Parts: sequence; structure tokens; C-alpha cells
Amino acid sequence: AAGVIQSPRHLIKEKRETATLKCYPIPRHDTVYWYQQGPGQDPQFLISFYEKMQSDKGSIPDRFSAQQFSDYHSELNMSSLELGDSALYFCASSLGLSRGVMAFFGQGTRLTVV
Amino acid sequence: GIQVEQSPPDLILQEGANSTLRCNFSDSVNNLQWFHQNPWGQLINLFYIPSGTKQNGRLSATTVATERYSLLYISSSQTTDSGVYFCAVKTGTASKLTFGTGTRLQVTL
Repeated sequence: AAGVIQSPRHLIKEKRETATLKCYPIPRHDTVYWYQQGPGQDPQFLISFYEKMQSDKGSIPDRFSAQQFSDYHSELNMSSLELGDSALYFCASSLGLSRGVMAFFGQGTRLTVV
Repeated sequence: GIQVEQSPPDLILQEGANSTLRCNFSDSVNNLQWFHQNPWGQLINLFYIPSGTKQNGRLSATTVATERYSLLYISSSQTTDSGVYFCAVKTGTASKLTFGTGTRLQVTL
């Protein structure tokens, strides 16, 4: 079965550079979530989209922005990268926003800022 | 916001042993999922279990929503069970999952 696809899997950037992470949800899924997981920590919610509109916002820095496109894929844009942005970034997708839906996670993008 | 605490934080088992992982949450939830994060970082869905009991092979889970906890049982553990186990919940009208603090499991030969 098709899963959530994230690209790239690994990314190395220098401080103050920009990065773009991409997420392709499971076919027919209309909701996308982004999470950030620092070393030894639990995943922290950043932002979510439903039907191309932002549906919820967490602790996402102002340097980050995201959007969901007409084909439901999503991109997380990160500017002025800092060392503390080094983390594993997960995208998840679900069918709808309702409380009873199961979220499926991608394999993650490991971002290293040097 | 909701607090999600897991216990124990760390667990070392010998292969073949059984274990119970616990997830306590501070508010009523309408969605609860268990995940296994393997050593490569991948989050693998184990159960979607807002209430009741489910079993999948050597794993089973029980959620008692009225008492605000969920349990994950691992029987006859194998080295491939090693990793971090997270529970994650949704509450109220929020669409996001809030993750617990995790249990790091190491299964040794």
C-alpha cells in the first residue's frame, strides 16, 4: 500500500541557508501535518492543512512557512536556518480532520544544520 | 494543553520476556494511537485505539478512556522490538496529535 512520501530523506545545510521539505500524502488523503523531533525528544506539532487551508498551528517559528498544493502535497519552507533547527521532520496524512481518523507518518527528513 | 505521560521511561528486557507500557493523559481524548519508532527513526503505526482492546500478533493494547490511560502489551519480545514507543492523543476539536514522553525499550539476547 502507498505510504506518505517525504523528500529528501537527508539534508545538510549551513546556518542562515534555506531548506524546503516536501511531503506527498497517501492517495485520497486531504489532510497533512508537520512535526519536528529534536534529538531524544518526542515529536512536536508544527502545522496542519486540510483541503489546502491551514487547519491548526503549533510551535512553528516565524522563519518557517508551509502550504498545501492543489494535488494535496505539502512543502515546509525553512529560512535563516539555525543550529537548533537540526531535527527529524515528519509529515503525516489522514483522510479528513475529524477526531476519529488515523494519521499515518512518513519516514521523515533528517535535517542537519552546520 | 493536554499532558501525556508514559512509563517507564526506559526498559531493558531479555529476549522472550513480556512487558507492559503505560500512557496516562490528563484530559478526555477522542483519538489515541500507539507508535513504534525504530532505530532508524521511522514512526510505525501500531494501534489506533481510542477505547477498548485490540490485538495484533504479539502486541495488544487497551485504552480505558474514562480513567484516562492506555496500556501496550508486548509478549515474547524480540530484538527487533527495540526502539521508542510513543502514544499520541487528540483532544477536543484539535486536529493535531499530541505525543507522549515515550518509553525507550531495549531487548537484549
